[in-house]
Amino acid sequence: EPEVTQTPSHQVTQMGQEVILRCVPISNHLYFYWYRQILGQKVEFLVSFYNNEISEKSEIFDDQFSVERPDGSNFTLKIRSTKLEDSAMYFCASGHGDRRIEPQHFGDGTRLSIL
Amino acid sequence: GDSVTQMEGPVTLSEEAFLTINCTYTATGYPSLFWYVQYPGEGLQLLLKATKADDKGSNKGFEATYRKETTSFHLEKGSVQVSDSAVYFCALSRNQGGKLIFGQGTELSVKP
Repeated sequence: EPEVTQTPSHQVTQMGQEVILRCVPISNHLYFYWYRQILGQKVEFLVSFYNNEISEKSEIFDDQFSVERPDGSNFTLKIRSTKLEDSAMYFCASGHGDRRIEPQHFGDGTRLSIL
Repeated sequence: GDSVTQMEGPVTLSEEAFLTINCTYTATGYPSLFWYVQYPGEGLQLLLKATKADDKGSNKGFEATYRKETTSFHLEKGSVQVSDSAVYFCALSRNQGGKLIFGQGTELSVKP
């Protein structure tokens, strides 16, 4: 069964540094998402991406964050000038876009630790 | 705005016990409803879904019925196993390609 893959599984970064989290969505999916889960808290939506542009973003997704689909297979989340509070598990997801047929599929996540 | 509320955990049960995890939602219109499960060290996996009122989603012995009148989507299983130990998330989505809105998750621990 096709799956969403994320790399790396764990990223440790110094505060203030830039970090790029990578995802390979399921190949025939059209919608791509990033979510995050701060330890002990609920899973929060960050951004959705469709047709090579952001379709929706949350209040969390400020100018510090950006997303890109550079080559038709990868989907990346860049965090510029990381802060301590960016430490979280980041999940990538992809979907056909029709929730009645197939919901979003998630990767195993990247645990980001900011020191 | 839209929201999902789940019963607080952790829930600790003995093997073969009956499980109920309550989930209620607030949303306009007719959202689709989902249960996702997160096993230790893994990502979120879809457990079951329902897309309209009175639909029953089911998978691996788990069931949940979309109740529009009570805005609920409670998860049930008749006989839990140790392997069901995980965190369970209730979620909703309002439109095509739309974001998922999650509840806070309920940790289930099943003892032999």
